[in-house]
Amino acid sequence: NAGVTQTPKFQVLKTGQSMTLQCAQDMNHEYMSWYRQDPGMGLRLIHYSVGAGITDQGEVPNGYNVSRSTTEDFPLRLLSAAPSQTSVYFCASSPTYQMNTEAFFGQGTRLTVV
Amino acid sequence: GDSVTQMEGPVTLSEEAFLTINCTYTATGYPSLFWYVQYPGEGLQLLLKATKADDKGSNKGFEATYRKETTSFHLEKGSVQVSDSAVYFCALSDVGNTGKLIFGQGTTLQVKP
Repeated sequence: NAGVTQTPKFQVLKTGQSMTLQCAQDMNHEYMSWYRQDPGMGLRLIHYSVGAGITDQGEVPNGYNVSRSTTEDFPLRLLSAAPSQTSVYFCASSPTYQMNTEAFFGQGTRLTVV
Repeated sequence: GDSVTQMEGPVTLSEEAFLTINCTYTATGYPSLFWYVQYPGEGLQLLLKATKADDKGSNKGFEATYRKETTSFHLEKGSVQVSDSAVYFCALSDVGNTGKLIFGQGTTLQVKP
């Protein structure tokens, strides 16, 4: 029972490099999202998707792109990494986007940009 | 905009002590409220939730009551264990049914034997 799987778990990038953080869920969840976690700031929403082919911006979308070509996968792309993007990134999924629905989180990707 | 404020941490307690972690929120309408827990090296997992005023969520000995009049959702446990050491996040859901969660900054709890 895999749940939400994120890869890689750790990554070091140089400023200006690009990369994709992978996220896959096997629960047939409609809703998927990406958050970043920074000390003292909780989790902040980057992008989200209410279904395949539909994405939208969250609170802190600049410097990131997403796509949702399948129900299962929701990759997050960093276009040109900056030190300000050093953070822990969490992917989450929910059965629906209804407000009382539990979110299931991956184990996170710790990204360092030097 | 909507927001969640949690008490500053870290909180250090001895085993079997009583725990309270304060959480207050600002929101338009009536959101659902959640407590998530993050154990070391892991992702967040739902601890408990409440979907309307005066609801009490409970799980694993933890409780929290949705107080509309004080816009609060404080987390309590009568007797903590070393295994409860983790980071606790209070969160609310966007009332527009967008699926968005708004998190507090997290409170680190350390329980010593």
